[in-house]
Amino acid sequence: QITLKESGPTLVKPTQTLTLTCSFSGFSLSTSGVSVGWIRQPPGKALEWLALIYWNDDKRYSPSQNDRLTITKDTSKNEVVLTMTNMDPVDTASYFCAHMGTAPGPRSNYFDPWGQGIVVTVSS
Amino acid sequence: EIVLTQSPATLSLSPGERATLSCRASQSVSSYLAWYQQKPGQAPRLLIFDAALRAPGIPARFSGRGYGTDFTLTISSLEPEDFAVYYCQQRATWPLTFGQGTRLEIK
Repeated sequence: QITLKESGPTLVKPTQTLTLTCSFSGFSLSTSGVSVGWIRQPPGKALEWLALIYWNDDKRYSPSQNDRLTITKDTSKNEVVLTMTNMDPVDTASYFCAHMGTAPGPRSNYFDPWGQGIVVTVSS
Repeated sequence: EIVLTQSPATLSLSPGERATLSCRASQSVSSYLAWYQQKPGQAPRLLIFDAALRAPGIPARFSGRGYGTDFTLTISSLEPEDFAVYYCQQRATWPLTFGQGTRLEIK
């Protein structure tokens, strides 16, 4: 069974750097084809994809946030870390990590499952 | 960036009725489209992938169809637990994008 869980601060001040950790089990990020992504959702709004890291350390970022994001993995710890610099109140959102790549066939190309999410508030 | 436009924004129906949700892409995504269901306070759940394939454990009342730029999610007979927000998502090109969601509410 694949599970993911987000952790990190729930309150950050404007201009600070946010560091979130996705801890997972049930799969390995050293397995070919596997990836982990980050998606966020402001209160009452839609989902927004942020970043994705592959088993081979290839990384993809949302161009709207590219210069603020860094995604890394620690395969030995089964963790993926997302850092977002220069936080602003508009970055207040639920942040989710999600798995991709272990399922057979085309389902492996979509986010399944997701972590429960962590609510991050940006306020002074 | 591919923009996904979902309609309607809100759909009010009664249990037992048929629901049809639409997702239109600003350019072709082939069949590389998924639908997710999100209930309040929960993470999204994958329902449909590659436009028409049901994820494991998803009831047969959920079906998807479409290709290119026009896609639909149909719930044949609504159950009380189906009232939620539904999002489409494309994986055809980077960046990955989601629609703005359709809220399915009880009439």
